[in-house]
Amino acid sequence: AQTVTQSQPEMSVQEAETVTLSCTYDTSESDYYLFWYKQPPSRQMILVIRQEAYKQQNATENRFSVNFQKAAKSFSLKISDSQLGDAAMYFCAYRAYWQGGKLIFGQGTELSVKP
Amino acid sequence: DTAVSQTPKYLVTQMGNDKSIKCEQNLGHDTMYWYKQDSKKFLKIMFSYNNKELIINETVPNRFSPKSPDKAHLNLHINSLELGDSAVYFCASSQDREGRETQYFGPGTRLLVL
Repeated sequence: AQTVTQSQPEMSVQEAETVTLSCTYDTSESDYYLFWYKQPPSRQMILVIRQEAYKQQNATENRFSVNFQKAAKSFSLKISDSQLGDAAMYFCAYRAYWQGGKLIFGQGTELSVKP
Repeated sequence: DTAVSQTPKYLVTQMGNDKSIKCEQNLGHDTMYWYKQDSKKFLKIMFSYNNKELIINETVPNRFSPKSPDKAHLNLHINSLELGDSAVYFCASSQDREGRETQYFGPGTRLLVL
C-alpha cells in the first residue's frame, strides 16, 4: 500500500526567511504524481505545487519549489521569502497514475510565520 | 464565481439522524470526489464518481451513500449518524477519469454529531 509521511507536525519560520517542509512516500509504482496542498484557517484546500514523477526537473511556482528525489522517495517543499500569508497547514499528497485520481495525504505540517 | 461549492458549510445534528451534504462544480469536470478530514486533520478519500459512474469506493460504512444526479453534482447522504462521523467533508473535482489532472477542492462542510 502506498503511504505518505510528514515527520514534522509543526514548523516555524521568520518572515522573509526560507523554510523547508519534509515529505517521504512509499510506493512500488513507477508513474505517479506528487503534490503540496495548503490549508489556511479558512479550511480551503489550495494546490501549491505539483510534480510528475517522470520529470527530473524540480517544479517551481514563484516562491515555492520542491526537491524531488525519486530514488530516495523524498519530496520536500521549500518556501522562500516567507510571508505572513504562508501560515497554514501543508499537506503532501501522492497519486498513482492508474488509480482513478485517489489522492493519498500525509499527516500535515502546521507552519507558523513570525513577524 | 465559486468553482466547487458545498452546502451547508456547517451542520450540527443529533446521533441517529440522516443528513445530506450537497456538492456542485461549475468547471465542466468529469470526475468528482468526497474526502473526509478527521479531528487530527488527516484527509482520506471516500468516493469518486466519473460522469455519474462510481469509480472509487473506499472502505466506508454503508451508512454513507454518494449520489450523482449529473456530472456536475455529487451529494453525500449519511444515515444513522454516529459521533465518529464528526469531521470536515470535502468535495473535489478534476477534469479526467484517471485523475491525472489537478483536483480542485470545495470549501468543506464541518459536520458535528452530538
